[in-house]
Amino acid sequence: DGGITQSPKYLFRKEGQNVTLSCEQNLNHDAMYWYRQDPGQGLRLIYYSQIVNDFQKGDIAEGYSVSREKKESFPLTVTSAQKNPTAFYLCASTLHGFNEKLFFGSGTQLSVL
Amino acid sequence: AQKITQTQPGMFVQEKEAVTLDCTYDTSDQSYGLFWYKQPSSGEMIFLIYQGSYDEQNATEGRYSLNFQKARKSANLVISASQLGDSAMYFCAMRRDTGRRALTFGSGTRLQVQP
Repeated sequence: DGGITQSPKYLFRKEGQNVTLSCEQNLNHDAMYWYRQDPGQGLRLIYYSQIVNDFQKGDIAEGYSVSREKKESFPLTVTSAQKNPTAFYLCASTLHGFNEKLFFGSGTQLSVL
Repeated sequence: AQKITQTQPGMFVQEKEAVTLDCTYDTSDQSYGLFWYKQPSSGEMIFLIYQGSYDEQNATEGRYSLNFQKARKSANLVISASQLGDSAMYFCAMRRDTGRRALTFGSGTRLQVQP
């Protein structure tokens, strides 16, 4: 079945540590996105990529980094510079064209030890 | 910059009744898209309905309809015949048709359906 796979489902980070969240899609979608969701709040855009080897900062990019070396993969690294990383992270993708609804992964809950 | 406002943090509705979730948006763009997503307690985001800014008719998808009033910049979601499984967070979102095409989300409304 086609879809978006995020891993791990739960992740714990120690102080000063970088961690990487995985996002893989087999939908042949062009664009991919990373959103952050804090408890009881909406989604905020971290980074997005419209095509391979290109990505753009979203509204809250500080302390995060991404890469887009393959069409199907868009990993997010939460660096030690992100002082408040505890949140639910959602990856999404879309195909350019009509409507362009986002398809979402099941999310990764990141917590700080 | 775009902004989505959902003024109802929480709503209650009786099973089998209809409910309207409010959404207003702010943009200077002429061409854009409006979306509603449902997020159950499991955390997944489920697409419900889409409305293009140039669509003349309100969008409908089964029990969901979007009450689009362009001049008032509102895009309210109407759920008819509520079911217990409708209990979830609901998010309104907007996408520009030029420039940055990522969705901008509102803060959400938590809907609880009571038996």
